[in-house]
Amino acid sequence: SAVISQKPSRDICQRGTSLTIQCQVDSQVTMMFWYRQQPGQSLTLIATANQGSEATYESGFVIDKFPISRPNLTFSTLTVSNLSPEDSSIYLCSVRDSNSEKLFFGSGTQLSVL
Amino acid sequence: DAKTTQPPSMDCAEGRAANLPCNHSTISGNEYVYWYRQIHSQGPQYIIHGLKNNETNEMASLIITEDRKSSTLILPHATLRDTAVYYCIVRVGMNTGFQKLVFGTGTRLLVSP
Repeated sequence: SAVISQKPSRDICQRGTSLTIQCQVDSQVTMMFWYRQQPGQSLTLIATANQGSEATYESGFVIDKFPISRPNLTFSTLTVSNLSPEDSSIYLCSVRDSNSEKLFFGSGTQLSVL
Repeated sequence: DAKTTQPPSMDCAEGRAANLPCNHSTISGNEYVYWYRQIHSQGPQYIIHGLKNNETNEMASLIITEDRKSSTLILPHATLRDTAVYYCIVRVGMNTGFQKLVFGTGTRLLVSP
């Protein structure tokens, strides 16, 4: 199974700043996904990070607020811009295992905005 | 993707079987049933998935009814470490090009001594 390293594991940020979250996979994967989990809620898909093209965003999420990079098949970043307390959530990276129907998840980034 | 319905919470005694139900009455013929779980503050963990036949792996068994409108995840001997939120997800296969998972609210399973 794919091993996913997500950094940072947690951070506390000031309102108006930005946080960039990194997702590193130990194997090449075609599809990477970014999810958000607000306190006490289920997971919501933010976007699909496509290698070599722009990310595909879900309804309610925009590139200006959540810019995503995908420079190669093992790495992606999600930036949460112009932070407000409402952005306090867990952000999770997910990848599809190339040889199966499974999706694997990183351990998440706990973001708190003051 | 078809919608799923799960009870919000369930209790189970340690060592007993935990049977978690899921209704997916609008499932299509090409949609799989997936189960994931999320232990507090961790990323979701894949458990099992199936299309029509019952499936078993080292973690759990998945029983899908003949009409495929519902399924049950069985943890045969629940331990305290199985306390988690369990998500039942229905979606088309990865090779169709639709690769994302849409999570519902899940079932919060509490395993007690």
